[in-house]
Amino acid sequence: DVVMTQSPLSLTVTLGQPASISCRSSQSLVYSDGYIYLNWFQQRPGQSPRRLIYKVSARDSGVPDRFSGSGSGTDFTLRISRVEAEDLGVYYCMQGTHWPFTFGPGTKVDIK
Amino acid sequence: QAQLVESGGGLVKPGGSLRLSCAASGFTFSDYYMTWVRQAPGKGLEYISYIGGTGSDTKYADSVKGRFTISRDNAKNSLYLQINSLRAEDTAVYYCARFARLLDVWGKGTSVTVSS
Repeated sequence: DVVMTQSPLSLTVTLGQPASISCRSSQSLVYSDGYIYLNWFQQRPGQSPRRLIYKVSARDSGVPDRFSGSGSGTDFTLRISRVEAEDLGVYYCMQGTHWPFTFGPGTKVDIK
Repeated sequence: QAQLVESGGGLVKPGGSLRLSCAASGFTFSDYYMTWVRQAPGKGLEYISYIGGTGSDTKYADSVKGRFTISRDNAKNSLYLQINSLRAEDTAVYYCARFARLLDVWGKGTSVTVSS
């Protein structure tokens, strides 16, 4: 199975400052169609997950442009350019390339 | 606006069964793969199963294979998860989501508690 690791697992960020979360996969996530099925999800306290980024860097409709995704192969990054209070929550990466599809352990983001 | 609403969760004894449902609206249900993901209390997300648009393509995580069955009724715009031989470790919130690889729309989840 593809193992997804995230770092850090916990992050405290000052309002208005940038934040970055790393996600690494145990093997390349390039699918046979040429796409990389690497998604990022945000889960606010008490809510269901919400997709922010898909296929590494495509931002979902309605997601603020302070969120961006990048990476290739096995290394991926979610960046928040200026953290806001509503960004509190847990962030998960997920690979949809190799079955079984797998999530990272999550990164808890707290706001200072 | 695509929407998913799960139901059918509850308290069940070890060894028992439940059938979870996911009602879809706002999109052409039969055009999409659908997925079940679960989250144990205080834990991360676990991808457990997906099903293709016609119902003929299904996959299961090893942790549920042989005990869980995913199905769909396109005429009713509904997705199902039959869960049998329940164990304490199946206690979780169960979410349905649209797509298999991309999970763009999620429901609010339904809670399953396995306890004697």
